[in-house]
Amino acid sequence: EAQVTQNPRYLITVTGKKLTVTCSQNMNHEYMSWYRQDPGLGLRQIYYSMNVEVTDKGDVPEGYKVSRKEKRNFPLILESPSPNQTSLYFCASLRSRATSTDTQYFGPGTRLTVL
Amino acid sequence: DAKTTQPPSMDCAEGRAANLPCNHSTISGNEYVYWYRQIHSQGPQYIIHGLKNNETNEMASLIITEDRKSSTLILPHATLRDTAVYYCIVRAGGTSYGKLTFGQGTILTVHP
Repeated sequence: EAQVTQNPRYLITVTGKKLTVTCSQNMNHEYMSWYRQDPGLGLRQIYYSMNVEVTDKGDVPEGYKVSRKEKRNFPLILESPSPNQTSLYFCASLRSRATSTDTQYFGPGTRLTVL
Repeated sequence: DAKTTQPPSMDCAEGRAANLPCNHSTISGNEYVYWYRQIHSQGPQYIIHGLKNNETNEMASLIITEDRKSSTLILPHATLRDTAVYYCIVRAGGTSYGKLTFGQGTILTVHP
């Protein structure tokens, strides 16, 4: 079954304690991205990757890092989390720009609370 | 990116058709209209997309006006499980091809 998985699904942590949210897709997609969703602000793109070793900033990259060492995985790293990073996070992937009609698949979400 | 405008909320009776409108008056000629929905706080789910012609799949139909400035998503026989936030999105091109710009969407409530 084609899917995007995220772990953990729920996380409560404290300010400054480094954490990583993993994202994996089994569709051999080239493009992967991270979004955060906050009430009243919709989904906003944090970082994206067009292929292995190629990453770029989205609209709200401050306080986050990503890496793309292999095609299937795209972890989101918070080196020093702060309370304003409390949010619902989604990972997404799509095949490539080879066809403009590709759809994005979203993971189930990770609810992060930073105390 | 072309902006979209949707009503904040709509109601629909179970079994009836739900018609969700979307305005995208600044859409460019090569931009597609996509519809996603989000049930509760789950990951957004793709529904349908189109460029010029009307489209239909197992989930819904998409009607795009001839001038492409607006569209309507039709759920032909809404069920309680269709209660969700529905997002109309214009797909960007260029290096932003993968970025979806979500607005506030329409909260559709299907009632018995």
